[in-house]
Amino acid sequence: DAGVIQSPRHEVTEMGQEVTLRCKPISGHDYLFWYRQTMMRGLELLIYFNNNVPIDDSGMPEDRFSAKMPNASFSTLKIQPSEPRDSAVYFCASTSRDRVPQETQYFGPGTRLLVL
Amino acid sequence: DQQVKQNSPSLSVQEGRISILNCDYTNSMFDYFLWYKKYPAEGPTFLISISSIKDKNEDGRFTVFLNKSAKHLSLHIVPSQPGDSAVYFCAASSGGAGSYQLTFGKGTKLSVIP
Repeated sequence: DAGVIQSPRHEVTEMGQEVTLRCKPISGHDYLFWYRQTMMRGLELLIYFNNNVPIDDSGMPEDRFSAKMPNASFSTLKIQPSEPRDSAVYFCASTSRDRVPQETQYFGPGTRLLVL
Repeated sequence: DQQVKQNSPSLSVQEGRISILNCDYTNSMFDYFLWYKKYPAEGPTFLISISSIKDKNEDGRFTVFLNKSAKHLSLHIVPSQPGDSAVYFCAASSGGAGSYQLTFGKGTKLSVIP
């Protein structure tokens, strides 16, 4: 099983540029999560989807952030325009409807974003 | 406002000794608690959990203790091994075992010295 796949693994961009992060969840999983990890705030849930529909986006920091899930095997997190304070590691995770879903969130390796 | 707090950014322990990682929470609605482990360049992986109806859960070398009155939990690793060196995240959720939303702490970096 391939696990959760994220691309790119590293991204360096300049302030003001658009950044798109990509995620392919584990096949058969119907929940997808986007997290952000920073030194200041730790690991934060930004948004999560169920069956491609956004369920809770209350963690999305600003309107500059948007996330989509056009189909069950692909999701994007877009930042436009990017700012230096967006520099962080962004994780995607997926799970299926499960008895204890908290224990079965499988995380991807993350995308390390640096905005100069 | 951090609802889940890990006040020790790092911890160093000698191999074979006990590692104790601490976590405090402020939200009284949290009723399910977890520890995740993260190696460099990898995503976090689930380690152990505890429901608020229990005060202890054990899995091999790992034990999690929950003190609800103090809103405190801890992870004990005995004996510590060099392969345990990682960042450990405390997480919490409300709504019992079926919740999909986790609130994480900032993490504690554990270094086990051979």
